[in-house]
Amino acid sequence: AQSVTQPDIHITVSEGASLELRCNYSYGATPYLFWYVQSPGQGLQLLLKYFSGDTLVQGIKGFEAEFKRSQSSFNLRKPSVHWSDAAEYFCAVGATDMRFGAGTRLTVKP
Amino acid sequence: ETGVTQTPRHLVMGMTNKKSLKCEQHLGHNAMYWYKQSAKKPLELMFVYSLEERVENNSVPSRFSPECPNSSHLFLHLHTLQPEDSALYLCASSQDAKVILGANVLTFGAGSRLTVL
Repeated sequence: AQSVTQPDIHITVSEGASLELRCNYSYGATPYLFWYVQSPGQGLQLLLKYFSGDTLVQGIKGFEAEFKRSQSSFNLRKPSVHWSDAAEYFCAVGATDMRFGAGTRLTVKP
Repeated sequence: ETGVTQTPRHLVMGMTNKKSLKCEQHLGHNAMYWYKQSAKKPLELMFVYSLEERVENNSVPSRFSPECPNSSHLFLHLHTLQPEDSALYLCASSQDAKVILGANVLTFGAGSRLTVL
């Protein structure tokens, strides 16, 4: 079965700064890859997904992610963070089932 | 109402109580899911229903009993729970429940926060 690791439990960035959230997976083939965001008191919302094709994927709210097969990674990026981006971010890896990472909590400093 | 709606949003129950969580989706999806979200742990898939038939049951204790009367409604019946069952229970739906479950794009509700005393 696949596994997914989000190495950073908590990240703090200043508003306007760039952001990169890391996601690494372990699986014998190329899985389906997702990033979800959870704002306080809310459920998870899909930011973007990768199934095949172009390894740079654009999502909602200005986010993008890049699939790197050689590194088994699917890192999420945003060039300029807004205060409203403060939330918990989950990477998910889909194969025979869906596995979620433990999440990275993002704090945005004014 | 749009999306996936869960009620109640908060529930406190004793270990001997019987209660139910309700989920309703207004998206015309054919598959529905229950997930458990505990602090500092990855989401745990509990149950999957496709067209009202249960297709996945992830070794969940029998004190949790799901019910899917139609493709728009999903219930989680709770009885004789333990304090460690306290968590956020998330309902989700997807267009279909593909055979490869990991290919499904999920739409989540806001969750029901359960506290077991």
